[in-house]
Amino acid sequence: SQQGEEDPQALSIQEGENATMNCSYKTSINNLQWYRQNSGRGLVHLILIRSNEREKHSGRLRVTLDTSKKSSSLLITASRAADTASYFCATDYGNNRLAFGKGNQVVVIP
Amino acid sequence: DTEVTQTPKHLVMGMTNKKSLKCEQHMGHRAMYWYKQKAKKPPELMFVYSYEKLSINESVPSRFSPECPNSSLLNLHLHALQPEDSALYLCASSLWDRGDGYTFGSGTRLTVV
Repeated sequence: SQQGEEDPQALSIQEGENATMNCSYKTSINNLQWYRQNSGRGLVHLILIRSNEREKHSGRLRVTLDTSKKSSSLLITASRAADTASYFCATDYGNNRLAFGKGNQVVVIP
Repeated sequence: DTEVTQTPKHLVMGMTNKKSLKCEQHMGHRAMYWYKQKAKKPPELMFVYSYEKLSINESVPSRFSPECPNSSLLNLHLHALQPEDSALYLCASSLWDRGDGYTFGSGTRLTVV
């Protein structure tokens, strides 16, 4: 199955800085979702952007979607130590198979 | 209730054992999922249930047997597993065919010895 691929895969930043992650996919999607995972536990749904949307905000999160380039980005502004986690994009092709990308490990240094 | 509850949190089993993982949600979600996640890898879809019926089996070996007794409960029965089946098993639920986000449980950390 096709999966999104995030870039870069590991990111280390100072508290207060912004963190940006990218995700690419291969065919048309219904929506693209971002999830956070702390220390190998369950995934937490962060934000969903539909194929007809270009940008979405939720608190300190900003997601963009460029369907012409088949890519998305997740921006976390004013990062905090608690944002340290793995972040996954997941693509919904409308076939009830949510496919996850490789994930980004983000470390926020206090 | 906005949670998916998985039990047990940790499980160690021998290769000849039979065990079950349980997942429960009371959000009225009619789609439930099992994912398997190895260390430092993304979750991989195993099974999808919609309205208590198995709709997707991603070619999972028969030593994994899913069951959906009712709309709130999802089980994964394990038998004759291999050490390479050791992983984090995640259950999730969502509204069916609405294109909404999934709610995940905290997972069961399975070790096969």
